[in-house]
Amino acid sequence: KAGVTQTPRYLIKTRGQQVTLSCSPISGHRSVSWYQQTPGQGLQFLFEYFSETQRNKGNFPGRFSGRQFSNSRSEMNVSTLELGDSALYLCASSLPLAGVSYNEQFFGPGTRLTVL
Amino acid sequence: SQQGEEDPQALSIQEGENATMNCSYKTSINNLQWYRQNSGRGLVHLILIRSNEREKHSGRLRVTLDTSKKSSSLLITASRAADTASYFCATDANTDKLIFGTGTRLQVFP
Repeated sequence: KAGVTQTPRYLIKTRGQQVTLSCSPISGHRSVSWYQQTPGQGLQFLFEYFSETQRNKGNFPGRFSGRQFSNSRSEMNVSTLELGDSALYLCASSLPLAGVSYNEQFFGPGTRLTVL
Repeated sequence: SQQGEEDPQALSIQEGENATMNCSYKTSINNLQWYRQNSGRGLVHLILIRSNEREKHSGRLRVTLDTSKKSSSLLITASRAADTASYFCATDANTDKLIFGTGTRLQVFP
């Protein structure tokens, strides 16, 4: 099976702009989660989607939003970019497992966003 | 805030030696997972241990979980240069999110 893919891999934007990142999960995986990774804050949970519904959300401002399509592909949008949004954005997909709230996550390679 | 804190933050060893990393967390969990990340790339799942399990093995990996102390350890035996990476624990605190620890950077010298 093909792994999780993320596009684009690298992105440079300026403050105030908006950006959309894309994630294609492993075929058959209906859960998609997004994470932000920075040297200062580490890995932070953004949100999780399952069957086109946002199930959980982390502590990020409303500028961060996402959605999931019927084919389980997911997009993440950040509006009004700030310098602090520079980070590696990781997407992960997973299959449900009985008795396990968050099963093994399969991560994509990430999108490196730089805000100037 | 981080749920998990790894210790040590960095570890340097020679090939063939064992590497032990520890993870402490704050709230009750259903399961705990360990992941590896190579130099700014995506994470790779290593092992999942449920809260009712005390020890789990996978190849050269051994994970223990002590829910009374809210801690877990990851042991990598007979380390190889290819094990050089950052290692993270992750817990499903309150089941509504997966929270990652701060990570341990492991350097294995040939």
